[in-house]
Amino acid sequence: GNSVTQMEGPVTLSEEAFLTINCTYTATGYPSLFWYVQYPGEGLQLLLKATKADDKGSNKGFEATYRKETTSFHLEKGSVQVSDSAVYFCALISSGGYNKLIFGAGTRLAVHP
Amino acid sequence: DTGVSQDPRHKITKRGQNVTFRCDPISEHNRLYWYRQTLGQGPEFLTYFQNEAQLEKSRLLSDRFSAERPKGSFSTLEIQRTEQGDSAMYLCAIPGELFFGEGSRLTVL
Repeated sequence: GNSVTQMEGPVTLSEEAFLTINCTYTATGYPSLFWYVQYPGEGLQLLLKATKADDKGSNKGFEATYRKETTSFHLEKGSVQVSDSAVYFCALISSGGYNKLIFGAGTRLAVHP
Repeated sequence: DTGVSQDPRHKITKRGQNVTFRCDPISEHNRLYWYRQTLGQGPEFLTYFQNEAQLEKSRLLSDRFSAERPKGSFSTLEIQRTEQGDSAMYLCAIPGELFFGEGSRLTVL
């Protein structure tokens, strides 16, 4: 079946450090891939997405590249800020079906000054 | 404003009671989804509506759970005879990148 695996947290970084959160997936066909962010006390927000192999999604300084050969969609940011502290979820929508999202367990990021 | 309003935002109930959550998309959408998120986990799919038709239900949706979308606009999710294991955040989502409501948090004592 379809599934998403992401690195366990928490990830603790100093401000301006480089961020990588690993995400790998298992899916039939050609899924679309997403990163969502959940700030403390807020709902889920779409951060970025990629719909086909080699696509790069980007938003707010975050980037992720759809790598079909490694079935990965790692999230990166060159210089994190305290305001980036949140829980990050990798997710996929498999081709076909009803566009339901399959989420990873989430990775908590804590950025300190 | 995510385009989805959920009510109530937080419900505390005793085990065995029934609870109902409501989801109101601000604009018309033919598709509507319910998810459940437990502490420390990602959201899990519960069910999906195309207009008023419930087209898919997860195995997570036991017979104590029922969802409706009577006019193809708002939707309700009812849980009968709640159990402590039902404690979670119940999320409603609409398509267009799947916008999520802020959720209804259920605490079963």
